[in-house]
Amino acid sequence: AQSVTQLDSQVPVFEEAPVELRCNYSSSVSVYLFWYVQYPNQGLQLLLKYLSGSTLVESINGFEAEFNKSQTSFHLRKPSVHISDTAEYFCAVTPGSGAGSYQLTFGKGTKLSVIP
Amino acid sequence: GAGVSQSPSNKVTEKGKDVELRCDPISGHTALYWYRQSLGQGLEFLIYFQGNSAPDKSGLPSDRFSAERTGGSVSTLTIQRTQQEDSAVYLCASSLALGGLGIQYFGAGTRLSVL
Repeated sequence: AQSVTQLDSQVPVFEEAPVELRCNYSSSVSVYLFWYVQYPNQGLQLLLKYLSGSTLVESINGFEAEFNKSQTSFHLRKPSVHISDTAEYFCAVTPGSGAGSYQLTFGKGTKLSVIP
Repeated sequence: GAGVSQSPSNKVTEKGKDVELRCDPISGHTALYWYRQSLGQGLEFLIYFQGNSAPDKSGLPSDRFSAERTGGSVSTLTIQRTQQEDSAVYLCASSLALGGLGIQYFGAGTRLSVL
């Protein structure tokens, strides 16, 4: 079984400041990793994913995450946030193969509030 | 359709009543998933359909919950004899392929309130 821990439930940050949202996971098998974003009253949208290859993955809106196998982490970062980044962010994992390799296990979410 | 469509967007019901939640996946997506998002438990997997295979019901919290997928497309999640702890947002997702390579696209959800 897999588990995901998002260490911060809420992160306030000033506009144009950098931000890091932390995610750690636990799994006995190799995993695929995802960050989803949920804007108010909307569904989840995929922000970025790590499947294999380069451990640094980027999204089209300036976010990036780095897969660190030794630390079992997949932290999300952005060097300069905008008001429009205010949302809740969910880290998720799924087994790379085998039983349940379609079932996303989510962290509890981190609410990012960007302050003007 | 352009995305995953869920209806209704909001549902208020009385304790003990049955409810049906509908999900219309992205056209051509063979896999369909239901998740529940609640304040206490976060996001939880409920059930998974893939083509004509038997669904994975391992996440359903009790036998009051059931789901079906007709014709490999639209899915209905049914909750019988609703309880207050069933209050949550029910999210549906679909994907084109299996496993982690099948990126899951989510609908906006149905917010269920059990009074």
